[in-house]
Amino acid sequence: AQKITQTQPGMFVQEKEAVTLDCTYDTSDQSYGLFWYKQPSSGEMIFLIYQGSYDEQNATEGRYSLNFQKARKSANLVISASQLGDSAMYFCATVFGNEKLTFGTGTRLTIIP
Amino acid sequence: DSGVTQTPKHLITATGQRVTLRCSPRSGDLSVYWYQQSLDQGLQFLIQYYNGEERAKGNILERFSAQQFPDLHSELNLSSLELGDSALYFCASRPGPFGELFFGEGSRLTVL
Repeated sequence: AQKITQTQPGMFVQEKEAVTLDCTYDTSDQSYGLFWYKQPSSGEMIFLIYQGSYDEQNATEGRYSLNFQKARKSANLVISASQLGDSAMYFCATVFGNEKLTFGTGTRLTIIP
Repeated sequence: DSGVTQTPKHLITATGQRVTLRCSPRSGDLSVYWYQQSLDQGLQFLIQYYNGEERAKGNILERFSAQQFPDLHSELNLSSLELGDSALYFCASRPGPFGELFFGEGSRLTVL
């Protein structure tokens, strides 16, 4: 069965430090997409970054980058120079061949001043 | 602003009642998805529509139903409500079957 796993329920990081949020997945599909979403306390889901399975370069969007290691089936999110506003829940999500987005259980990130 | 509009934003009702949640996707988006997020839980996929047709079904209870209308807006109907149905219900849309999913702000349902 296809599966996505986030093993860090919560993380505390000092402001201005970089942080890596882990995400692993399990699939036999060759074509798939990987997403990261941010959910602040207000509740909305904010798209951060996308990586396609055939993309050779790691995706980057401003302070966000996706460390894609296909052989290890991992798609970790790296946030550089963390800010207080980065405190939120972060969800890794995938689409494997079929069309629906499957979400991991999330990581609650807290940035400490 | 993602362009996806959900109404109502908040809804409080009693057990046994029925409610309808409405979603207007981004202009031109044909795919609409519904997700349920219970307290401190991840997002559970409920159902997907593509251009008016049901495309995929997830963990949607029989008490729940949905449809997508010709103008592409969608409604999620929840009936015989139970306390455990209290959750944040998200609608999301995308232009086609793949790519980024754009989320609405959610409808927060509280069942008392």
